[in-house]
Amino acid sequence: EVQLVQSGAEVKKPGESLKISCKGSGDSFTSRYIGWVRQMPGKGLEWMGVIFPGASEAKYSPSFQGQVTISVDKSISTAYLQWNSLKASDTAMYYCARRGRSGPDLWGQGTLVTVSS
Amino acid sequence: QSALTQPASVSGSPGQSITISCTGTSSDIGDYGYVSWYQQHPGKVPKLLIYDVNSRPSGVSNRFSGSKSGNTASLTISGLQADDEAHYHCSSYTTSDTLVVFGGGTKLTVL
Repeated sequence: EVQLVQSGAEVKKPGESLKISCKGSGDSFTSRYIGWVRQMPGKGLEWMGVIFPGASEAKYSPSFQGQVTISVDKSISTAYLQWNSLKASDTAMYYCARRGRSGPDLWGQGTLVTVSS
Repeated sequence: QSALTQPASVSGSPGQSITISCTGTSSDIGDYGYVSWYQQHPGKVPKLLIYDVNSRPSGVSNRFSGSKSGNTASLTISGLQADDEAHYHCSSYTTSDTLVVFGGGTKLTVL
């Protein structure tokens, strides 16, 4: 069974850096786009950006350009979402997801990121 | 790219049918038959209900159906049940580099 397994919840202070991960199983990881989705408390889903593991070049939605970095290590079937300097407004649930033609067709279990002083 | 537009909330009584709309543009819904719908209960991972406008993954009830007309896609839930109370999100292929755009989400209340 193909799965996306994310790293655990994080509690950080403003200004700290963070890198969360999403490990895929099965051979489809390198042949499909992987994206990251933000869901702020009580809000909807936001597609942050996407990366094709075979090419490793990420594309970002305008709201997230310059705010985060998406990367991948295809040798270990793992995608990453990284912040250099967290803000309180980054507090949210973050999902990795495999992209189907119409949108995500496989989701990770989510990583809760809490940023608080 | 702009998010797709969904109503903030809809409601219905058990047994009734409801429809949730999702409006985009010719750069996403209008020119492409690639729309998905997700159900999300509180604290849970979104669940794929519909893909490619009107296809259901294995295991999804046939009470859920999708359609598209012009720039607007729709999700219809028939025979409403208490467990259908949840948030519903649409997504579409988009011509932007990021390939996916979501709607703002709709809260369904079963009265």
